[in-house]
Amino acid sequence: TQLLEQSPQFLSIQEGENLTVYCNSSSVFSSLQWYRQEPGEGPVLLVTVVTGGEVKKLKRLTFQFGDARKDSSLHITAAQPGDTGLYLCAGPSNSGYALNFGKGTSLLVTP
Amino acid sequence: DAGVIQSPRHEVTEMGQEVTLRCKPISGHDYLFWYRQTMMRGLELLIYFNNNVPIDDSGMPEDRFSAKMPNASFSTLKIQPSEPRDSAVYFCASSFQAAYNSPLHFGNGTRLTVT
Repeated sequence: TQLLEQSPQFLSIQEGENLTVYCNSSSVFSSLQWYRQEPGEGPVLLVTVVTGGEVKKLKRLTFQFGDARKDSSLHITAAQPGDTGLYLCAGPSNSGYALNFGKGTSLLVTP
Repeated sequence: DAGVIQSPRHEVTEMGQEVTLRCKPISGHDYLFWYRQTMMRGLELLIYFNNNVPIDDSGMPEDRFSAKMPNASFSTLKIQPSEPRDSAVYFCASSFQAAYNSPLHFGNGTRLTVT
């Protein structure tokens, strides 16, 4: 199993602050996906990164795939309470047909 | 599209009882996945199907767990007999293609509590 380590595990910040969360592995991935999960719901896809060094932006969220395709980061600018949730990174399993998930970063943004 | 539909949303049962979780995937999706989520272990893949055929069940904890997909629009995950350590949120997800090429669409999960 290709393990994905996410850090930090928990993050509590105030509205307006910036933050970065990380997803690291010793394995090379053909792609990585980021999901956000809100309480009582299933994870929802935010973005897929495919190319080493790729940067994708989704409003105030910036995703980067490492050059070696072993790691990824998510940066949130001017966090808002609506950003609160569990952020999960996921990569294809060895077979490529399923996804393995990291344990996630639980983010709390307070007004 | 209604998305992936799971039932029940909550299930409370006593140790030793049989539990059946149900899932209706998104129409046209060829892959169906069952995951289990706990604080300690995160999201764990239990089993997945392609075109109704089980492909990899290596994540199923033990023989007490079984999953079926009798047709393209329905799948079940059964635990018999249930144990307190099975308490978790169980998610069903579907995708149009294999995960390396297609995102997963999750249901809202079934929260299982075994007392």
